[in-house]
Amino acid sequence: NAGVTQTPKFRVLKTGQSMTLLCAQDMNHEYMYWYRQDPGMGLRLIHYSVGEGTTAKGEVPDGYNVSRLKKQNFLLGLESAAPSQTSVYFCASSYAASGRPGELFFGEGSRLTVL
Amino acid sequence: AQSVTQLGSHVSVSEGALVLLRCNYSSSVPPYLFWYVQYPNQGLQLLLKYTSAATLVKGINGFEAEFKKSETSFHLTKPSAHMSDAAEYFCAAWEGSNYKLTFGKGTLLTVNP
Repeated sequence: NAGVTQTPKFRVLKTGQSMTLLCAQDMNHEYMYWYRQDPGMGLRLIHYSVGEGTTAKGEVPDGYNVSRLKKQNFLLGLESAAPSQTSVYFCASSYAASGRPGELFFGEGSRLTVL
Repeated sequence: AQSVTQLGSHVSVSEGALVLLRCNYSSSVPPYLFWYVQYPNQGLQLLLKYTSAATLVKGINGFEAEFKKSETSFHLTKPSAHMSDAAEYFCAAWEGSNYKLTFGKGTLLTVNP
């Protein structure tokens, strides 16, 4: 039972490089989210999607782009990485709001370091 | 916008002692409220949730939380701490109007032998 799978789990980038984090869920969830976690800051929402082909900005979207071409996948892209984007990134998914709102299923995280 | 405040970034208790982690929300309309737990090097998992059915909510591992509208609070308790409870705990609020879950900054619970 895979749940939410994030790849890669670790990555080191140089300033200015680009990369994509992949999130895949096998629970047929409608909603998907990308959060970043930094010490003392809790989890902050970067972008989210309420369905295939739709995305929306969260609390801290600058410097990131996302795509949801397939219902089960949600990609987070960094076009030009900056040291301020060093963080642990979590993907999560949930049922639609009409189902069990707020019950998020999380991946194990992707630790990104930008030098 | 909804905000969630967790009082105390770090709580330390002895094994067998009462655990009390505090959470307050800002909305005038009570949202759905949640507690999530994060064990080291893992993602978050749901501990318990309040969805207006009952003010005292029981969760996994012996935890419970009480919703108090007059105090806009949703504090998490456990009568007797166990070493395995050491983790970071996050309070969160869901507002259906924007499909988002807003998290507090977290409280790290340390359990001393």
